[in-house]
Amino acid sequence: DIQMTQSPSSLSASVGDRVTITCRASQSISNYLNWYQQRPGKAPKLLMFAASNFQSGVPSRFSGRGSGTDFTLTIASLQPEDFATYYCQQSYSLPHTFGQGTKLEIK
Amino acid sequence: QVQLQESGPGLVKPSQTLSLTCTVSGGSISRGGYYWSWIRQRPGKGLEWIGYINYSESTNYNPSLQSRISISVNTSESQFSLKLNSVTAADTAVYFCARDTPVRGGSTFDPWGQGTLVTVSS
Repeated sequence: DIQMTQSPSSLSASVGDRVTITCRASQSISNYLNWYQQRPGKAPKLLMFAASNFQSGVPSRFSGRGSGTDFTLTIASLQPEDFATYYCQQSYSLPHTFGQGTKLEIK
Repeated sequence: QVQLQESGPGLVKPSQTLSLTCTVSGGSISRGGYYWSWIRQRPGKGLEWIGYINYSESTNYNPSLQSRISISVNTSESQFSLKLNSVTAADTAVYFCARDTPVRGGSTFDPWGQGTLVTVSS
């Protein structure tokens, strides 16, 4: 299985801050990397696919980069609705695997 | 717009079989190219892909659960189902169904059902 490791596991930040979450794969996954946002008690929501492509309706303050084994999700200016948990997920090979999540909290 | 909804018992006894159904609305489960997945999230933990099926009953399961799971599809009812046998407390989780959608650069889970909590307890 491909292991996905996110850092940090949690992050405290303020509205308006710029934050970056990192995801590392245990082997190269090309750009087969997705990002999801999960709010408490809700299902995950697709934010970005293929490392850097926006899902429809996702604000432009979100951006994704990377290929191979190292990927980042950046939120340019945090809004109150962005405080949630973020997961990366690889679709390069089965079984699909997720990172352990990064919980973004209000400072 | 495709929507998914999980249903099934919220409480299962240890050693018994967990059975859940996902009903797909707003689109055809028989449309080629899509796989229909089950994903779970244990309390306070991350996400674990369980397995998927397509309309022609082609399946793939997570090796960590393969010996205990079965996923089936009923295209006439626009449903797919999960059976997980010999459950223990470690199988207590929120179970989600999701469409595994091909995209340029792999596939994505989109959309998702709202999730259903299944507790394994006597």
